[in-house]
Amino acid sequence: DSGVTQTPKHLITATGQRVTLRCSPRSGDLSVYWYQQSLDQGLQFLIQYYNGEERAKGNILERFSAQQFPDLHSELNLSSLELGDSALYFCASSSRTRQYTDTQYFGPGTRLTVL
Amino acid sequence: ILNVEQSPQSLHVQEGDSTNFTCSFPSSNFYALHWYRWETAKSPEALFVMTLNGDEKKKGRISATLNTKEGYSYLYIKGSQPEDSATYLCALLMYSGGGADGLTFGKGTHLIIQP
Repeated sequence: DSGVTQTPKHLITATGQRVTLRCSPRSGDLSVYWYQQSLDQGLQFLIQYYNGEERAKGNILERFSAQQFPDLHSELNLSSLELGDSALYFCASSSRTRQYTDTQYFGPGTRLTVL
Repeated sequence: ILNVEQSPQSLHVQEGDSTNFTCSFPSSNFYALHWYRWETAKSPEALFVMTLNGDEKKKGRISATLNTKEGYSYLYIKGSQPEDSATYLCALLMYSGGGADGLTFGKGTHLIIQP
């Protein structure tokens, strides 16, 4: 158990809908990262937040957005969902930002299925 | 975009044998190289963070080396056990000009240990 929690574990929804995925980092970690694992793709970095502020952006679609709240939990919002958004979404946390020796600890993931 | 290549894609090894696999990358323009172990139905678990050319890390029967000049890292497993069966992921923490971004992952080496 990494100490990172994600809810829900599974989510099934329809095209065009909007969903919110939630992540609670390890106690004391200030950085939160979101990753997407699609079929036949490696883990793709989406976005990073540090202590409430966006710090780095990866391959995140405009239909997706995220935020980190004062209690450091983070939410990833996915809107106008398409079939291709079906994937496993991971949240990871680390203690600092842009410190290259920091380990990122991964949560259990949310499996999103868009029908 | 940096391509992180891992080989082989999958590997079957007899219990007790030692094995190794490769992570290769075309550029040394990164902060750190991370190795993760990912078991089915679990989340990726950090093994090592490597930063310097010639860096070598060890954890029990698993060790890793990094050669930034030649553009590769090796992961070694000595005396493979069934519990070593997993997908081993390599990831680079890239330099983006404004600091480090999220991890760029390879597609992994899927290791199966046969009793």
